[in-house]
Amino acid sequence: DTEVTQTPKHLVMGMTNKKSLKCEQHMGHRAMYWYKQKAKKPPELMFVYSYEKLSINESVPSRFSPECPNSSLLNLHLHALQPEDSALYLCASSLILAADYNEQFFGPGTRLTVL
Amino acid sequence: QQQVKQSPQSLIVQKGGISIINCAYENTAFDYFPWYQQFPGKGPALLIAIRPDVSEKKEGRFTISFNKSAKQFSLHIMDSQPGDSATYFCASGGTSYGKLTFGQGTILTVHP
Repeated sequence: DTEVTQTPKHLVMGMTNKKSLKCEQHMGHRAMYWYKQKAKKPPELMFVYSYEKLSINESVPSRFSPECPNSSLLNLHLHALQPEDSALYLCASSLILAADYNEQFFGPGTRLTVL
Repeated sequence: QQQVKQSPQSLIVQKGGISIINCAYENTAFDYFPWYQQFPGKGPALLIAIRPDVSEKKEGRFTISFNKSAKQFSLHIMDSQPGDSATYFCASGGTSYGKLTFGQGTILTVHP
């Protein structure tokens, strides 16, 4: 199984809502990533977990809260988002955080719209 | 912030032609250079990657050429097909970093 799955595929939320994005992989990878991607732009790294511990936070606003409950699951909790947070949110995983040919496997993303 | 500069922004090629996308990086500590392919509505997928100890790597119709002294690398797609139409991102990273720095992307259109 070389797949990263993400749910939901689409999410529409108001600025006062609380919602969560979910990511799952069963490849035994110990590094998991959250990216944000705007249209026609490259993915922007948000957070990296290594062995279920937060290793990298790219100065992301606190309205985004990541969680890694176990080695296969990664969540992104959303609260009080702004319309400019509307984007494709991508999850990725890799074998470990720093390694030769550190291939990152991406999920299909969650298309988020904030009204 | 270390950048990766990618060109061109968009590229139109006829079927059977050669597509060439170029990238330049700044950080000499980078030692991992992947290319990702992304179709609309999908996440990026690794296409091919190279380490700086070789100057070229070929996988099927896809070739990476790497020039360490110039800090540049490029993707060549031979015999381009309409199914290759996608956005291509180069990236750079270091085995000690874990993070990848992405180029701005190239939208490739292959006309039949």
